[in-house]
Amino acid sequence: QVQLVQSGGEMKQPGASVKVSCKTSGFTFMKYGFSWVRQAPGQGLEWIGWIRVDNGDTQFPQKFRDRVTLTTDTSTTTAYMELTRLTSDDTAVYFCARDIDWDVDFWGQGTLVTVSS
Amino acid sequence: QTVVTQEPSLTVSPGGTVTLTCGSSTGAVTSGHYPNWFQQKPGQAPRSLIYRTSNKHSWTPARFSGSLLGGKAALTLSGVQPEDEADYYCLLFYGAPWMFGGGTKLTVL
Repeated sequence: QVQLVQSGGEMKQPGASVKVSCKTSGFTFMKYGFSWVRQAPGQGLEWIGWIRVDNGDTQFPQKFRDRVTLTTDTSTTTAYMELTRLTSDDTAVYFCARDIDWDVDFWGQGTLVTVSS
Repeated sequence: QTVVTQEPSLTVSPGGTVTLTCGSSTGAVTSGHYPNWFQQKPGQAPRSLIYRTSNKHSWTPARFSGSLLGGKAALTLSGVQPEDEADYYCLLFYGAPWMFGGGTKLTVL
């Protein structure tokens, strides 16, 4: 069965970076893309970016373009999201989600990233 | 700055019907925005319900349906169940960026 299992919660200081992983199984990794979405406490969903596995193409909203790096490792079928220059506004639950042809179907369980001094 | 608009909250009685909408500040929502709909319950990850306007996943209950209505994307729940109480989000594709609506809190009362 399709599974997306994310890495555990992180506590970071302002100015640091965080890298969240999304380990997948149960499907052909190369056929899909992965979106990353975050949700601040009590807030709605916010799209952070997207990566296509087979050719590495990425898309980002302007807000995150210079702070987010998305990568994939086909040998371990894992997607990664790295966010740099963290501030308290980056405190949120971060989700990975699988997609193909504008169908965002399976989601990871979420990773809480807390930024605090 | 593109804004995707949803009703902040709606209330429906068990067994009733309710329609949630998803509008765009850029104009009419079309099939070319490939609307997706998600359900989220407290403390859980979102769950995908509808993709590309009206397509259901294998796990999507039959009472959920997606459409385009009056220039917006719409999610209709017919025969609402207590377990449908949740937050619902739409997602529209604008090339880049993709935009989520602010979410609708659905109360079943």
